[in-house]
Amino acid sequence: GENVEQHPSTLSVQEGDSAVIKCTYSDSASNYFPWYKQELGKGPQLIIDIRSNVGEKKDQRIAVTLNKTAKHFSLHITETQPEDSAVYFCAASRGLTGGGNKLTFGTGTQLKVEL
Amino acid sequence: GAGVSQSPSNKVTEKGKDVELRCDPISGHTALYWYRQSLGQGLEFLIYFQGNSAPDKSGLPSDRFSAERTGGSVSTLTIQRTQQEDSAVYLCASSLTGGATEAFFGQGTRLTVV
Repeated sequence: GENVEQHPSTLSVQEGDSAVIKCTYSDSASNYFPWYKQELGKGPQLIIDIRSNVGEKKDQRIAVTLNKTAKHFSLHITETQPEDSAVYFCAASRGLTGGGNKLTFGTGTQLKVEL
Repeated sequence: GAGVSQSPSNKVTEKGKDVELRCDPISGHTALYWYRQSLGQGLEFLIYFQGNSAPDKSGLPSDRFSAERTGGSVSTLTIQRTQQEDSAVYLCASSLTGGATEAFFGQGTRLTVV
């Protein structure tokens, strides 16, 4: 089955700096890669996703890149703000090819944005 | 309240007892998923329901775990003869379809087995 590894486990940045979180996956058939943000006591919330036919996607301060050959994808947050502090999870699935969107998650990155 | 609703928010049970966790998905969402999140870990897939199709139970860790979805809406996850290792946050998610569409998560049920 799929295995997703995520690094780093914790990340501390100064407000206004950029933050990068990296994930690798093992299943070459995975084709859908979402990123979730989880705040304390809440369920995860989708912040951005990318499909295997795209190499990069951007949404305001958030961008995701995908390298299918190397089987890794990354989340980039620019101009970080204190409200970006949370746990971020990457995930992978074969959702584009049917059978349901069963997600395999990384172990999470605790991002802390310091003033 | 248009989001995914889970109840109870917290559940403390004694080892060996059975528990039922409830999930109310977003109205009109055909796909429903259960995940388990252990302390400091990522989410682990448990089971997937899509419309009237047979559920995908491939993630259930043992036969003590079961789930059903009645009328294509509300779902119940049942854990029989609970063990301490069952302690975790159980998260439910729903999405409009079963494909690569956004999964909306509930706030979870924190289960503690003592």
